[in-house]
Amino acid sequence: EAQVTQNPRYLITVTGKKLTVTCSQNMNHEYMSWYRQDPGLGLRQIYYSMNVEVTDKGDVPEGYKVSRKEKRNFPLILESPSPNQTSLYFCASSFSGRAINEQFFGPGTRLTVL
Amino acid sequence: GESVGLHLPTLSVQEGDNSIINCAYSNSASDYFIWYKQESGKGPQFIIDIRSNMDKRQGQRVTVLLNKTVKHLSLQIAATQPGDSAVYFCAENIRSGGSNYKLTFGKGTLLTVNP
Repeated sequence: EAQVTQNPRYLITVTGKKLTVTCSQNMNHEYMSWYRQDPGLGLRQIYYSMNVEVTDKGDVPEGYKVSRKEKRNFPLILESPSPNQTSLYFCASSFSGRAINEQFFGPGTRLTVL
Repeated sequence: GESVGLHLPTLSVQEGDNSIINCAYSNSASDYFIWYKQESGKGPQFIIDIRSNMDKRQGQRVTVLLNKTVKHLSLQIAATQPGDSAVYFCAENIRSGGSNYKLTFGKGTLLTVNP
């Protein structure tokens, strides 16, 4: 089944404790992206990757890192999480960076930073 | 329709009625406009898109209308069903530099279908 998977689905952590949210897609997509979703603010892009070893900042990259060592994986790293990073996070992928209109989204990761 | 603020715009319809969800966009350079559906507890799901050189596109039970003069996009759902209850987002696909594109999402509209 073609899909985007994220782990963990739910995470409660404390300020400053490094964490990684994994994202994997099995559709051989070139383009991958991370979004956060907050009430009243909709979906905002954190980082995106046009292809392996190519990443770039989105609209709200502060406090996050990403890597794209393989085509299928695009982990989101929070080196020192803070409470304002409490949010619902979505990973998404699409066939290419020139056709991102049809993005496939993962199920989401709900992160709470205490 | 979509708007800024903490509260989602809401639309409540009776099962079987037609629904119209509206969206205003800001960037006249957008190549594509897209509608996504997000059910409770799930990620957004692509519904339909429309190129900027079109004014109407139809899918199965859905129609998207694009009015570039007033920068307005709408999603029409025919014979709305309880399974259509969700938050609907419009999004613009904008070239952000070179061959890079990005999606910018609206705030969303909550559609509730009453049986």
